[in-house]
Amino acid sequence: GAGVSQSPSNKVTEKGKDVELRCDPISGHTALYWYRQSLGQGLEFLIYFQGNSAPDKSGLPSDRFSAERTGGSVSTLTIQRTQQEDSAVYLCASSLMLGLGGELFFGEGSRLTVL
Amino acid sequence: EDQVTQSPEALRLQEGESSSLNCSYTVSGLRGLFWYRQDPGKGPEFLFTLYSAGEEKEKERLKATLTKKESFLHITAPKPEDSATYLCAVQARVGANNLFFGTGTRLTVIP
Repeated sequence: GAGVSQSPSNKVTEKGKDVELRCDPISGHTALYWYRQSLGQGLEFLIYFQGNSAPDKSGLPSDRFSAERTGGSVSTLTIQRTQQEDSAVYLCASSLMLGLGGELFFGEGSRLTVL
Repeated sequence: EDQVTQSPEALRLQEGESSSLNCSYTVSGLRGLFWYRQDPGKGPEFLFTLYSAGEEKEKERLKATLTKKESFLHITAPKPEDSATYLCAVQARVGANNLFFGTGTRLTVIP
C-alpha cells in the first residue's frame, strides 16, 4: 500500500511476555521513527532510524525495549518482559528527511495491552 | 528543557463558530513547528509546517500562524468533520532528529 503499515493493530499480552511490533514504512523513506502514545499523554519519542542505523535511541525507556531495521525498510520494535506500564499505542512514522522539512507520515499504530 | 504546551485541552464549538487553538513552546532553537490532526484510532495526519516568526499557512478552514513563543491554529466556520485532536510539535535545535509533541487539543464541533 501507499502508506505506513503497522502490525498487529491490537495486541493483548500477559505481564512478563515478550512482544514484537512491526512497521513497514513508505517505500523510499529513509527515516523511520517509533513513538509511544499513552492515554492522556503526548506522543513520546522512542527511537529514530536513518537507513539501517539508529543514531538516536535516547527515547527508549529501558533496556527491555529494542528495535531494529533491516534492508532500510521494515522495522521491528521488541519489548521484553512486558509490564503493565508498557500498555500504550505504539506509532511508527517515516519521512524522506525531517531536517529538510519533510513531514512525518504515521501508521495507524499498534495498541498494546499488558494484563 | 524543551516544552510544548497546548491549550485548551478540549474545546466544544457550534458549527460555524470560529475559534483558535494555542501552542506555546520553549526550545533552544526552533527549526520547525508542525501541526497534525489525529482522528480516534488513527495515526496523526500532517497539516502544516512553520519555520519562522510571522509565517502563516492556510488549508481550507484552517490557518496556522507562528510567533517567537507560540503558534495558533485558527479554525474559521468549523464543520462537524473538523472534530479531531490537533497536535502541535516542534523540531528543536539544529540536528534534532525527532519531533517533540504537545498533548493536543481535542476539538468537538456540534452540528
